[in-house]
Amino acid sequence: SAVISQKPSRDICQRGTSLTIQCQVDSQVTMMFWYRQQPGQSLTLIATANQGSEATYESGFVIDKFPISRPNLTFSTLTVSNMSPEDSSIYLCSVGPTTSYEQYFGPGTRLTVT
Amino acid sequence: KQEVTQIPAALSVPEGENLVLNCSFTDSAIYNLQWFRQDPGKGLTSLLLIQSSQREQTSGRLNASLDKSSGRSTLYIAASQPGDSATYLCAVASPNDYKLSFGAGTTVTVRA
Repeated sequence: SAVISQKPSRDICQRGTSLTIQCQVDSQVTMMFWYRQQPGQSLTLIATANQGSEATYESGFVIDKFPISRPNLTFSTLTVSNMSPEDSSIYLCSVGPTTSYEQYFGPGTRLTVT
Repeated sequence: KQEVTQIPAALSVPEGENLVLNCSFTDSAIYNLQWFRQDPGKGLTSLLLIQSSQREQTSGRLNASLDKSSGRSTLYIAASQPGDSATYLCAVASPNDYKLSFGAGTTVTVRA
């Protein structure tokens, strides 16, 4: 299994500002994913972040709004830029598939934009 | 595009009853299917994973089946306990890029 930590665990931010979320994994992994879970909704994939290549974004998500870095095989960041209240969500990173074929998720970052 | 549906959306049962959670998906070309548990305000805990070539997977009181041809999976939880109260999410992995497509979840309440 993989143990994943995220920072911060939660934050309250003002409209128009940016927040960078960090994701740290306890082992080297090739594939990392960033998801968003809006209040009362299920998870939606934002982008795939593989080390050594540019992140690939899903439809409806753009790099200017959600820039991602993947400097090595154990770390990634997601920035939520120019925030609005609609960005209030839980943001989760995941890794996988691992040797057990599973994907593992971090504890999430709960973001509230006022 | 893969669409994943979970029925029912919510379920309330007395302690000791067996739980049956359903998941359906539209594209049978999958890498695997994973069941997760999510407690309020928390991240996801992986419960069971079924590879595309498997029909069933068991862990303790949990049993998950997969019928890939009909696009269905069922999660059974035997002898439910109040601690089983949570939201259960079904996710299907794409065989090409391992991206997960999630259902909306089933929120389970087990009454003591």
